Amino acid sequence: EAGVAQSPRYKIIEKRQSVAFWCNPISGHATLYWYQQILGQGPKLLIQFQNNGVVDDSQLPKDRFSAERLKGVDSTLKIQPAKLEDSAVYLCASSPTLAGLVTGELFFGEGSRLTVL
Amino acid sequence: AQSVTQPDIHITVSEGASLELRCNYSYGATPYLFWYVQSPGQGLQLLLKYFSGDTLVQGIKGFEAEFKRSQSSVNLKKPSVHWSDAAEYFCAVGAAGYQKVTFGTGTKLQVIP
Repeated sequence: EAGVAQSPRYKIIEKRQSVAFWCNPISGHATLYWYQQILGQGPKLLIQFQNNGVVDDSQLPKDRFSAERLKGVDSTLKIQPAKLEDSAVYLCASSPTLAGLVTGELFFGEGSRLTVL
Repeated sequence: AQSVTQPDIHITVSEGASLELRCNYSYGATPYLFWYVQSPGQGLQLLLKYFSGDTLVQGIKGFEAEFKRSQSSVNLKKPSVHWSDAAEYFCAVGAAGYQKVTFGTGTKLQVIP
């Protein structure tokens, strides 16, 4: 079974530039998450999708971050304009269902490391 | 709101020694609990999960966790640590329905010969 795919693995940009990250979840997983992991910290949830609808985006800085999940499969996370404090690893994860309920058991991609100069 | 506390930022153990990593959670209902491991430069991998039932849960790589509802804790254990276990370990709490999964700040494990 193929895992969660993310690209690019690494990205270096200057502040005020824009960047986009792509995620392809495990086939059949209806729930998709984007987490931000700053060095030395635990992952922080940015946005959670159920199919192509947003379940939780309470911690997404909406003035600069946006995310979409087209057709309930792939997802893109965009930052525009980037700030120095956005330097982090952006993790995508997907989650299966059990008896119709999402379990919260997450399968992670390898992450996209962003450096903002 | 749900939250997770991992009080130990860094732990060092000798190879072959036993290990216990602490995790306390706050959640209003019965939680789903998870332990993940992150090796350098890698994504997070699920070690074990607790949904209900037995309080001692077995995971992969010889890890187990004991869920204590009265103490709101789910500590990760391993009887004998191997050098390859050096990594960062994250505890997480979630729940069916809303499915939001909240992570702790992690515990970095160093294994010395």
